[in-house]
Amino acid sequence: GQNIDQPTEMTATEGAIVQINCTYQTSGFNGLFWYQQHAGEAPTFLSYNVLDGLEEKGRFSSFLSRSKGYSYLLLKELQMKDSASYLCASVDSNYQLIWGAGTKLIIKP
Amino acid sequence: NAGVTQTPKFRILKIGQSMTLQCTQDMNHNYMYWYRQDPGMGLKLIYYSVGAGITDKGEVPNGYNVSRSTTEDFPLRLELAAPSQTSVYFCASSYSSSAGMNTEAFFGQGTRLTVV
Repeated sequence: GQNIDQPTEMTATEGAIVQINCTYQTSGFNGLFWYQQHAGEAPTFLSYNVLDGLEEKGRFSSFLSRSKGYSYLLLKELQMKDSASYLCASVDSNYQLIWGAGTKLIIKP
Repeated sequence: NAGVTQTPKFRILKIGQSMTLQCTQDMNHNYMYWYRQDPGMGLKLIYYSVGAGITDKGEVPNGYNVSRSTTEDFPLRLELAAPSQTSVYFCASSYSSSAGMNTEAFFGQGTRLTVV
């Protein structure tokens, strides 16, 4: 079957760095997305990885290892507004998005 | 550029009533999706479409129906509403090609549905 695993909840301190991990098992692979979702709002796009390695976008970076079925989202210089859920989604061989349940990130002052 | 427009934003239904959630996108995306999201949970796929005239079931299709008569529109129909269908519903669209090009999914604002 197809499966995406990510931690349910994480807590970090304002100004610190946090890494949110995601492991995936899908039939085929055509890329991996990370989304941010604030409470009561729609998910918004953060990053897309299709090749191995690190993609950096300002304070956010995303890493992919296709051989390990593993990705992580790295958030630096955490701000209170980063408190949200972070969703990992893999694109399978049929170009379907397979979603993880999301990681709720709590930022403390 | 409107993106994905989803209506209504809120709705209260009585058990047994029916309704249609509207979704329109203006990005010429081939893929469209309907998800539901229960409190504190991830997105569950109800139905999806890979193009006009083609729809398929997702993870939780029971109690719902869809149609895709045009590229732009993908309405979701709830027949005989039940309390278990109380949730937040999101419509989304994306573009994927067999050449491996994938855009991110763009989401509508969501519909908060309560069935009482």
